[in-house]
Amino acid sequence: GAGVSQSPSNKVTEKGKDVELRCDPISGHTALYWYRQRLGQGLEFLIYFQGNSAPDKSGLPSDRFSAERTGESVSTLTIQRTQQEDSAVYLCASSPTGAPYNEQFFGPGTRLTVL
Amino acid sequence: DAKTTQPPSMDCAEGRAANLPCNHSTISGNEYVYWYRQIHSQGPQYIIHGLKNNETNEMASLIITEDRKSSTLILPHATLRDTAVYYCAETNAGGTSYGKLTFGQGTILTVHP
Repeated sequence: GAGVSQSPSNKVTEKGKDVELRCDPISGHTALYWYRQRLGQGLEFLIYFQGNSAPDKSGLPSDRFSAERTGESVSTLTIQRTQQEDSAVYLCASSPTGAPYNEQFFGPGTRLTVL
Repeated sequence: DAKTTQPPSMDCAEGRAANLPCNHSTISGNEYVYWYRQIHSQGPQYIIHGLKNNETNEMASLIITEDRKSSTLILPHATLRDTAVYYCAETNAGGTSYGKLTFGQGTILTVHP
């Protein structure tokens, strides 16, 4: 079956512009996660959605970052007024229930470059 | 927050076992240990996970010490295609997002002929 997909695969933008990144999770997965990976670094948690519960936004680095998810489907991560330090690969993952014993399935990521 | 530490790089000869260590200095009793690997320009690929017991699947084995402060990922017969960055991670202890993962910095494993 289809895995997690993300679009665009690459995004180059100018400093100060807004960007929207999209994630399509595996069908039926209630949990969806966004992570950020800076060059040569590990993954940093950004935000977590679980069904219709309020999202855990504790990893968002600033109020320029926001994310939405409609039900148990697509999610979009929005970065407003982008800065050069926002340059990174943004990874989305989904899991069946969000329980800690459920593995997370990752998408290929969106590489964001802010000039 | 969880603190996981890994060596930055390791080498392994093709056909030999690769043993990748991870220290989990702040892990608590109900946090799972996960291992993922990442090949250049791809998303992380799940390998294995465990809580207290050692685990084995078709890809690898996971050894977790009794105090749970360290784990070792074992690739029994490394191939050139196993060259990748290997990340250990821990789930959250509880609360509203106890499935979220906190990753180490990764170990670059190079398998050479």
